[in-house]
Amino acid sequence: DAGVTQSPTHLIKTRGQQVTLRCSPKSGHDTVSWYQQALGQGPQFIFQYYEEEERQRGNFPDRFSGHQFPNYSSELNVNALLLGDSALYLCASMSRGQPQHFGDGTRLSIL
Amino acid sequence: AQKITQTQPGMFVQEKEAVTLDCTYDTSDQSYGLFWYKQPSSGEMIFLIYQGSYDEQNATEGRYSLNFQKARKSANLVISASQLGDSAMYFCAMRELTGNQFYFGTGTSLTVIP
Repeated sequence: DAGVTQSPTHLIKTRGQQVTLRCSPKSGHDTVSWYQQALGQGPQFIFQYYEEEERQRGNFPDRFSGHQFPNYSSELNVNALLLGDSALYLCASMSRGQPQHFGDGTRLSIL
Repeated sequence: AQKITQTQPGMFVQEKEAVTLDCTYDTSDQSYGLFWYKQPSSGEMIFLIYQGSYDEQNATEGRYSLNFQKARKSANLVISASQLGDSAMYFCAMRELTGNQFYFGTGTSLTVIP
């Protein structure tokens, strides 16, 4: 039973570029959340998707957008990258009433 | 105000001893869930234990137990018989059932000493 899978594992971009990160949820899970974890910090909630719609959003600018597909997989898009966007991006999936399960994350570095 | 507070940036424990990692939370909701996650240096977040706000008994999962004191709004993680592989960052998290967002603390770095 595959857990949450994220791709790519590492990514290097330059300021101003755009990036797309991908996430496949754990089998049986229909809700996907994205988090940004800066070095030495706890994960910060970006947004959550359920039934292909953004259900809740944290305190992140519109440069951060997402999508959920009918198979429950999800993408996180970040436009106009800034140096401060360098972080580990974690995807988590769950089904109703269950704990979240996390992927291994995508480590994004902005030069 | 911070939803989750972890006041111990770093902790050390001798192998085979027990250790308590502190977590306090802030919510006005009656229904919420509390979680602990372990994050090794490799980066993945590993779910350890869950406590519901209406659960009367403290949750236990193997060597992990959650000391839930609702009136004090604390949810401390107790790890018994520490092992070298327990060295990692530990995060306390909360989900308010009126919303869909998980709030994480800043984490505690645990080092197990042989």
